[in-house]
Order: sequence, then C-alpha cells, then structure tokens
Amino acid sequence: DARVTQTPRHKVTEMGQEVTMRCQPILGHNTVFWYRQTMMQGLELLAYFRNRAPLDDSGMPKDRFSAEMPDATLATLKIQPSEPRDSAVYFCASGLHPNTEAFFGQGTRLTVV
Amino acid sequence: QKEVEQDPGPLSVPEGAIVSLNCTYSNSAFQYFMWYRQYSRKGPELLMYTYSSGNKEDGRFTAQVDKSSKYISLFIRDSQPSDSATYLCAMSGQGKLIFGQGTTLQVKP
Repeated sequence: DARVTQTPRHKVTEMGQEVTMRCQPILGHNTVFWYRQTMMQGLELLAYFRNRAPLDDSGMPKDRFSAEMPDATLATLKIQPSEPRDSAVYFCASGLHPNTEAFFGQGTRLTVV
Repeated sequence: QKEVEQDPGPLSVPEGAIVSLNCTYSNSAFQYFMWYRQYSRKGPELLMYTYSSGNKEDGRFTAQVDKSSKYISLFIRDSQPSDSATYLCAMSGQGKLIFGQGTTLQVKP
C-alpha cells in the first residue's frame, strides 16, 4: 500500500556526529515536508519541497541542518554536527498537491547524547 | 508569537461527552484548514479538511472555521475511549503547512 517510508526508525548518536535521515515519499506526490516534533514546541516545519525544489527552509538551523531531494523517490535531512538539543522525532510527509492532505511517515526518533 | 496557537491540554472527559477543541491563528493568507489525529508513537493522520469559512460534518466530527475571527474548532460528539489521542490543527496558505502544538485528549470509560 502507498505510504511514506522513513529510515531509520530510531537513532542514538553521540554529540558531534553526523546524522542522516531518509524519506521515501508516496509515488507521484510532488510536495515533501520535514517536521521536527518535541513536547515543548510541538510539530515544527523545518523545510519543504515542491517538485524536488526547496521552497522554504527557514525553520532549519542553517549552520548544521541541510535538506535535499536527490531524486523524486528520496528526501534526506542531515544534521552535522549533532547536538543534544536536536533530540526529537523527525517526520517526513508528502502530498499530491500543495494545500492538500499531507501523509506522514512513522518518524525517526533521534537521541543525541 | 506562533502563527498557530493551540492549548496543549491535557483534556480529560468521560465517555459520551461532547469535546470541543480549538485553534487561533494570525496569518490571513491561510485558506485551507485541517485537523489531524496522532496516536502515541505514530505519525499524524488527517481527520478533517475544510476550505475557507464554514462547517463540515463527518460522522461524530464537526469542523468549523471562522476566518473573520481567525478561529477554528473541532467538535467530537459521543466521545469514545478510542478517540483518546493528540489532535493537531493545521493550516495552509501558499503550500506551507503549519501545525498547532496539539491538544492531548483522554476519554475515560
């Protein structure tokens, strides 16, 4: 069945290490979002793409975060270097058109120690 | 100030109660309004979708949008223990989907 797939599901890493999270959007969806969810801040938009082009990444700390879509079947979110405050659940979501339903993956639970 | 404000709760009600959840927003460009439901350790899933102002009903759920007041609501009738989850409002204008913090709801049997 069609669903957004995120890997890894869980990641524990040491402070200073690089972290790469991957997302496979639903085939045919042209909009991809990256969100970070914490208890304190809720679901924060980090970046989003339309037709693989980044439209807005103002929610990301630019010095350490980067988001790309190498092709239509893969979106990546990288953190380098990682810090303990980056510990959160990171969600990827995709949509068929802008302003329509976004389908979420199961998330990557990141712990930076 | 956040673009979308939502009381995180938690909200606890007895089974069968009517639940009212709401959000306020500041961006007049928002035209599409949604409610998502999120169970523990899962991704959010769309519950209701409305465009512009008005009401929309789907079974026990009713979504209301008042653009003049920049206020949206979700009502759940005859609430069930299976409705226990976090409910997030979401809004979109030019394709940018912004969420409220989410309200945690517990429906007690």
